[in-house]
Amino acid sequence: DVKVTQSSRYLVKRTGEKVFLECVQDMDHENMFWYRQDPGLGLRLIYFSYDVKMKEKGDIPEGYSVSREKKERFSLILESASTNQTSMYLCASSRAAGNTIYFGEGSWLTVV
Amino acid sequence: DQQVKQNSPSLSVQEGRISILNCDYTNSMFDYFLWYKKYPAEGPTFLISISSIKDKNEDGRFTVFLNKSAKHLSLHIVPSQPGDSAVYFCAASSNDYKLSFGAGTTVTVRA
Repeated sequence: DVKVTQSSRYLVKRTGEKVFLECVQDMDHENMFWYRQDPGLGLRLIYFSYDVKMKEKGDIPEGYSVSREKKERFSLILESASTNQTSMYLCASSRAAGNTIYFGEGSWLTVV
Repeated sequence: DQQVKQNSPSLSVQEGRISILNCDYTNSMFDYFLWYKKYPAEGPTFLISISSIKDKNEDGRFTVFLNKSAKHLSLHIVPSQPGDSAVYFCAASSNDYKLSFGAGTTVTVRA
């Protein structure tokens, strides 16, 4: 089974703090993704990476950055957290383009 | 602009009956379609998929139908069970790295 692990399930951060969300996958997948889920908006892609040290902007990259130093690990960074970034963040991975994407359990971030 | 639309935010169905979830898309380049199921406080789990060369795919109680000319797909769950109560997301891909998701349909199965 594919395992995508998000290290923090629930976080509460203050406005202006720098926030790191970590994700690790154990299936040697090439591609990794960060989505956020908000009610009524579905899942929206923030960033994705198709190789180590490679990254591409998704649909809503503003206010976020990412890091992929190793194949199995993909980090999402909120440089200066704001209240409108309160959301559920989902990490995912896939073997190749056009393949099924597998998700982690999600990280609930509240920015106060 | 959302390229994948699920126009019904919620669906209530009696246990044992059929659940039909609908999804429309606008991008004619999409060639791979998936359904995901999501429980509260958990990540989405893959349910079933279909490629554009087919018009139907079955997996147990779940069947996905694709109508390319109408840019429409649907998910049928027969018979519906209480454990099927969840949010269902439709997703589509054009053989690139990304999936585009709909807003989701919340299914409630009544006993």
